[in-house]
Amino acid sequence: DAGVTQSPTHLIKTRGQQVTLRCSPISGHKSVSWYQQVLGQGPQFIFQYYEKEERGRGNFPDRFSARQFPNYSSELNVNALLLGDSALYLCASSLGPTTGWSYEQYFGPGTRLTVT
Amino acid sequence: KQEVTQIPAALSVPEGENLVLNCSFTDSAIYNLQWFRQDPGKGLTSLLLIQSSQREQTSGRLNASLDKSSGRSTLYIAASQPGDSATYLCAVKQGGKLIFGQGTELSVKP
Repeated sequence: DAGVTQSPTHLIKTRGQQVTLRCSPISGHKSVSWYQQVLGQGPQFIFQYYEKEERGRGNFPDRFSARQFPNYSSELNVNALLLGDSALYLCASSLGPTTGWSYEQYFGPGTRLTVT
Repeated sequence: KQEVTQIPAALSVPEGENLVLNCSFTDSAIYNLQWFRQDPGKGLTSLLLIQSSQREQTSGRLNASLDKSSGRSTLYIAASQPGDSATYLCAVKQGGKLIFGQGTELSVKP
């Protein structure tokens, strides 16, 4: 069975541009979460979606937005890119909502974003 | 605010050694704790998940323990191998999200 997939693998953008990252969850999983991992640090939570609704948001500016589609895939959008947005962006999927229960989360390979 | 700390930040051991990685957290109100492995530039591979009601989990040469009351978890790796070289991250689930430590970078020398 395919795991969590993310595209693209690598991306180079210029400050001020906009970027869209994509994630496909494991088949049957209805929840997708996004994390940002800056070099040398642990991942930081950005968003969680379940059944196409936002269920959680981390401490990130409004330049970050996301959505989930009827097939449970998800997109993360970042506007007005800053140098500090350079990071590995990780997507995780789980069977159910991550609130209220302890479904295991499975991570994709990530998208490496470099902002110059 | 939940804070997760991992000690040591880096560890180098000779092949064959048994080793322990430490993880501590400040708020015991967690759903579970997961240990992950991350190879350079790659995503996260889940190693072990311990539910809040459990004390330990084992998988092969790996054993993880959880003491919620003291806010501690340990990952024990038996008979380490060069292929175990990676960064190991612990994360607690709280409020619907995973909160990660900064990781322990492990190097196992042949």
